[in-house]
Amino acid sequence: DGGITQSPKYLFRKEGQNVTLSCEQNLNHDAMYWYRQDPGQGLRLIYYSQIVNDFQKGDIAEGYSVSREKKESFPLTVTSAQKNPTAFYLCASSSPFAIYPDTQYFGPGTRLTVL
Amino acid sequence: DAKTTQPPSMDCAEGRAANLPCNHSTISGNEYVYWYRQIHSQGPQYIIHGLKNNETNEMASLIITEDRKSSTLILPHATLRDTAVYYCIVRSGTASKLTFGTGTRLQVTL
Repeated sequence: DGGITQSPKYLFRKEGQNVTLSCEQNLNHDAMYWYRQDPGQGLRLIYYSQIVNDFQKGDIAEGYSVSREKKESFPLTVTSAQKNPTAFYLCASSSPFAIYPDTQYFGPGTRLTVL
Repeated sequence: DAKTTQPPSMDCAEGRAANLPCNHSTISGNEYVYWYRQIHSQGPQYIIHGLKNNETNEMASLIITEDRKSSTLILPHATLRDTAVYYCIVRSGTASKLTFGTGTRLQVTL
């Protein structure tokens, strides 16, 4: 059963703590993305990675960090430097080198609440 | 990427066709029109995309005007499960990000 999994679905953390959100895909996609969504708003790109061991900042990268050690995995760390971390976080993947234009497919999301 | 304009909300009776419009008057020749939808508290779901020609798949049809300045997503027989926010996105084939606006909230009613 191919797809993108994000865990956990809901996450609560105390202010000042770092937290890591998981994203795994078994679609054999090269590219992976992290977006943030605030209530009533569209999605904003945080980071993306087109190949293993390489990633680029998106529009709102401050206060976040990522790694891409494996093709299947792209974890996002929300650091204590992120001023407003409470949001819905969405991971996506695509195959930009195999298909033109590529299509991004999304995971179910993680809702992070910082108390 | 070109900016898009969509109505904030629409209603549709179950079983009828839902026609969701999108204006993208500044679209460039190499930019595609993509449609996604997002059911409450879930990740966005890809629906369809097109460049110039009309497209159809198992979920919907996409009608793009000849001048490419607007398009319409058609759900031929809307059901209650089609209630969602629908996003029209214009992007080039090489763009890394999707730029989501606020979309159209479609409410399907009995």
